[in-house]
Amino acid sequence: GEDVEQSLFLSVREGDSSVINCTYTDSSSTYLYWYKQEPGAGLQLLTYIFSNMDMKQDQRLTVLLNKKDKHLSLRIADTQTGDSAIYFCAESRYSSASKIIFGSGTRLSIRP
Amino acid sequence: NAGVTQTPKFQVLKTGQSMTLQCAQDMNHNSMYWYRQDPGMGLRLIYYSASEGTTDKGEVPNGYNVSRLNKREFSLRLESAAPSQTSVYFCASSASGNTIYFGEGSWLTVV
Repeated sequence: GEDVEQSLFLSVREGDSSVINCTYTDSSSTYLYWYKQEPGAGLQLLTYIFSNMDMKQDQRLTVLLNKKDKHLSLRIADTQTGDSAIYFCAESRYSSASKIIFGSGTRLSIRP
Repeated sequence: NAGVTQTPKFQVLKTGQSMTLQCAQDMNHNSMYWYRQDPGMGLRLIYYSASEGTTDKGEVPNGYNVSRLNKREFSLRLESAAPSQTSVYFCASSASGNTIYFGEGSWLTVV
């Protein structure tokens, strides 16, 4: 079945770039998402990319998609303490939100 | 702008007790969802309601029931709580597309 995998932890120095990686198994994935979860809160959609795109940039965020390798990454430029959170990769083959498959989340910690 | 509101935020239950998690959204969304989040396992869909009057099972529905009371409200009921249901529960909603808006979560412990 479909699966989404990401590493559990990432630690970066404040001001550096963070790169969070994700792999998925469903080659028919159409929508790929990044969600952010801050402590004690629900998930918040950060950005998404369609499978026919290679890259999407939104201010400090850059999403790269390698469809051949089924690899998705989220780059956060100039990482700040407010970026500390858990980041979830998710994919969906269909437009229905009920079919979204989430990864386990990557906890990003920022060191001074 | 409240978005998705769920109650209670924290609850401790004894094994075998029942309880209902309440959820309401004020965004006029058609679809609503209940997820559970467990360490290292991401979010798993319990039940969802694509529109008022309909409910469907998700990935992990056993031990739960849901009610879509009206367009705004979608409740999740545990009839006989088990320790395996200790988790963080998230309610969410979406419009016709696939962007999901989440509540802040309900921390449930079953002892």
